[in-house]
Amino acid sequence: EPEVTQTPSHQVTQMGQEVILRCVPISNHLYFYWYRQILGQKVEFLVSFYNNEISEKSEIFDDQFSVERPDGSNFTLKIRSTKLEDSAMYFCASSEIGTGVFEQYFGPGTRLTVT
Amino acid sequence: AQRVTQPEKLLSVFKGAPVELKCNYSYSGSPELFWYVQYSRQRLQLLLRHISRESIKGFTADLNKGETSFHLKKPFAQEEDSAMYYCALSTHSGGYQKVTFGTGTKLQVIP
Repeated sequence: EPEVTQTPSHQVTQMGQEVILRCVPISNHLYFYWYRQILGQKVEFLVSFYNNEISEKSEIFDDQFSVERPDGSNFTLKIRSTKLEDSAMYFCASSEIGTGVFEQYFGPGTRLTVT
Repeated sequence: AQRVTQPEKLLSVFKGAPVELKCNYSYSGSPELFWYVQYSRQRLQLLLRHISRESIKGFTADLNKGETSFHLKKPFAQEEDSAMYYCALSTHSGGYQKVTFGTGTKLQVIP
């Protein structure tokens, strides 16, 4: 069964550094998402992406964040200048194009630790 | 604004006992509700959705619009049910979804 993959599984970075988290969505999916889960807290929506554009973003997704689909397979989340409070698990998800309700498939997550 | 509330952070039950994980939502439109499960060291997986009205791994959930609830139930808990359970509310527009998650309930099934 196809799966969403994410790399790296764990990223440690220093405050102020840029990080890029990578995701490979399921190949026939056209909608992509990023979520964040701070330790001990709930999963929070960051951004959705379709047709090379951001469809919707939350208030968390400020100017420090950006997303990109640089090629036909990868979907990336960039944090330009990391802060301590960016430490969290970041989940990528993808879903099929279509109307109505369709399932989002989640990746295993990348644990980002900002020191 | 949409909101999902899961009042219990931890629910411990004995194996074979009934399970009910509570979920209440707030949304002005017609809700689309889901339960996701996250087993230890694994990714989030969709457990069930209210529109399909199916039973997965013995779990069921009924949408009660009057009480704005979508509680997850299982008559007899099994040890392998131990996991984090997230209730989620989905809205969609233009074909994409935004999912709002509850804070999650950790289900611990005691042998």
